[in-house]
Amino acid sequence: GAVVSQHPSRVICKSGTSVKIECRSLDFQATTMFWYRQFPKKSLMLMATSNEGSKATYEQGVEKDKFLINHASLTLSTLTVTSAHPEDSSFYICSARDGTGRYEQYFGPGTRLTVT
Amino acid sequence: KQEVTQIPAALSVPEGENLVLNCSFTDSAIYNLQWFRQDPGKGLTSLLLIQSSQREQTSGRLNASLDKSSGRSTLYIAASQPGDSATYLCAAYSTGANSKLTFGKGITLSVRP
Repeated sequence: GAVVSQHPSRVICKSGTSVKIECRSLDFQATTMFWYRQFPKKSLMLMATSNEGSKATYEQGVEKDKFLINHASLTLSTLTVTSAHPEDSSFYICSARDGTGRYEQYFGPGTRLTVT
Repeated sequence: KQEVTQIPAALSVPEGENLVLNCSFTDSAIYNLQWFRQDPGKGLTSLLLIQSSQREQTSGRLNASLDKSSGRSTLYIAASQPGDSATYLCAAYSTGANSKLTFGKGITLSVRP
């Protein structure tokens, strides 16, 4: 099956710094990528959707200036958490969809962000 | 707006039991419905995807069914094993202008040896 990787798997950063998380589709071209956030014992919350070469579409309530998303190629999307605060600590998961029309999303292994 | 519900939130069964996990969704205009498994601190593993035109999908000991008209899906696990202990999430992929995957909160399954 299709494989999506994320890097890093865990990151600890100080409050006020920025953190970049990478999401790669390894064996297919991802026309659309998605970024989710998951709080403990909660479901996944969609943050934004990005199409290659276009600006990301953010869900209501998600600050686009705080969570910068870049989808520069068909295999790579990045999420940058700017000026991180402890409340940004969470589990971030990306997923990717190819252009076959099956509307199946393949998920990465997630990144645990801890802001101290 | 699509809403996906999974009840109960947690389930504990003895090893060997056959079990059914339920999922309901409010909007039947979907492309597909997916079942995922999530282990603690890990990402999602896709188990089964049922296209809107299909009624069920099978993979090994797992069988997922879809009834769009009633807004329900079930995941059947045969002969449960302790290794099946995890959180199971269902997600419906809505059609339309705001097409996206909407997740339920998941069912945490514990299979006792």
